[in-house]
Amino acid sequence: DTGVSQDPRHKITKRGQNVTFRCDPISEHNRLYWYRQTLGQGPEFLTYFQNEAQLEKSRLLSDRFSAERPKGSFSTLEIQRTEQGDSAMYLCASSLGLAAQETQYFGPGTRLLVL
Amino acid sequence: DQQVKQNSPSLSVQEGRISILNCDYTNSMFDYFLWYKKYPAEGPTFLISISSIKDKNEDGRFTVFLNKSAKHLSLHIVPSQPGDSAVYFCAASARDTSGTYKYIFGTGTRLKVLA
Repeated sequence: DTGVSQDPRHKITKRGQNVTFRCDPISEHNRLYWYRQTLGQGPEFLTYFQNEAQLEKSRLLSDRFSAERPKGSFSTLEIQRTEQGDSAMYLCASSLGLAAQETQYFGPGTRLLVL
Repeated sequence: DQQVKQNSPSLSVQEGRISILNCDYTNSMFDYFLWYKKYPAEGPTFLISISSIKDKNEDGRFTVFLNKSAKHLSLHIVPSQPGDSAVYFCAASARDTSGTYKYIFGTGTRLKVLA
């Protein structure tokens, strides 16, 4: 299967703990996006990479959040000192990165529950 | 400020009939629109897209219509099948001041196709 993969699929943690999620984009996709989705809402943009460069960060991404994409391949999203409000589905998407208007393909998501 | 709105949270349709899902947007700079389907515990799956230079795009049972003057798009599914039961999100994008194309999603419409 050559789609976007995310790991883990589910994570339960206690408030104050750190968590890290991984995303593997479709191979040869240069752009990688992170979104967050809460109940009853659509996905909300968090951040975006063009190859290894992080080009945009949403106001939703507080200082406790950090994302990396070393070597322009997989990406990690870390949340430090988790809060109950961080409970959500974290989605990763990728696109080719060759054109302005491109379709983003999503992974299955990581569902985070902060107790 | 909800730039992309899906005012119908749910829709029920008989199998074999047409399903029409609607989406309104406020930002006239949006120039690329997409529909995604989402099953529970999965990431959004791309269905169909349309550029603002077109007013219609078809792919099998799925047709998307764009009315730029009304800032409205719709997804028609004909004929509807029970497997189409899912949450449908519309998304819109435009190049922002940083040059990034970000998707803005609506809140989704839950479609139930009755056998």
